[in-house]
Amino acid sequence: GAGVSQSPSNKVTEKGKDVELRCDPISGHTALYWYRQRLGQGLEFLIYFQGNSAPDKSGLPSDRFSAERTGESVSTLTIQRTQQEDSAVYLCASSLGWTSDYEQYFGPGTRLTVT
Amino acid sequence: AQTVTQSQPEMSVQEAETVTLSCTYDTSESDYYLFWYKQPPSRQMILVIRQEAYKQQNATENRFSVNFQKAAKSFSLKISDSQLGDAAMYFCAYRRGSGSRLTFGEGTQLTVNP
Repeated sequence: GAGVSQSPSNKVTEKGKDVELRCDPISGHTALYWYRQRLGQGLEFLIYFQGNSAPDKSGLPSDRFSAERTGESVSTLTIQRTQQEDSAVYLCASSLGWTSDYEQYFGPGTRLTVT
Repeated sequence: AQTVTQSQPEMSVQEAETVTLSCTYDTSESDYYLFWYKQPPSRQMILVIRQEAYKQQNATENRFSVNFQKAAKSFSLKISDSQLGDAAMYFCAYRRGSGSRLTFGEGTQLTVNP
């Protein structure tokens, strides 16, 4: 079946502009995660959605970052007034359930470059 | 807060040889899971192997095995009979038993020499 997909694959934007990144999870997966990967570093957790529960936003680095998810489908990560330090690969993952015995499946990521 | 440390930024191995990647972690939880992920240049994160903390037996998946030392909070990955396709960035990760986020180490870049 189809895996997690993300769009766009690459995004170049000017400092100060807003960007939207999209994630399509695997069908039927109730949990969805966003991570950020700066160059040469590991992944940092940003936000997590589980079904209709309130999202865990504890990883969002500033109020310029927000994310939405409609039901158990598509999610968008929005970065307002982008800064150069926002340049990174943004990875989305989904899983069938929220507990640790469910594997997280990752998408290919969106590489964001802020000039 | 949980932390994951990978002290080897780069490793190299000859094709068909064995290599071990190191990982240590810090947690006060008793119920947790540990993972090794592979990230090739395509950026796709691929789960290599996972270990439940409550299991004493080390996990194995074909040529991949782990050495899980719970008291020492150490979780190393051994790759046997290395293949050119094993070349990638490898990340160690931790997750609480109650789920939610993964916490990743900084990664180890593995090169496989023919």
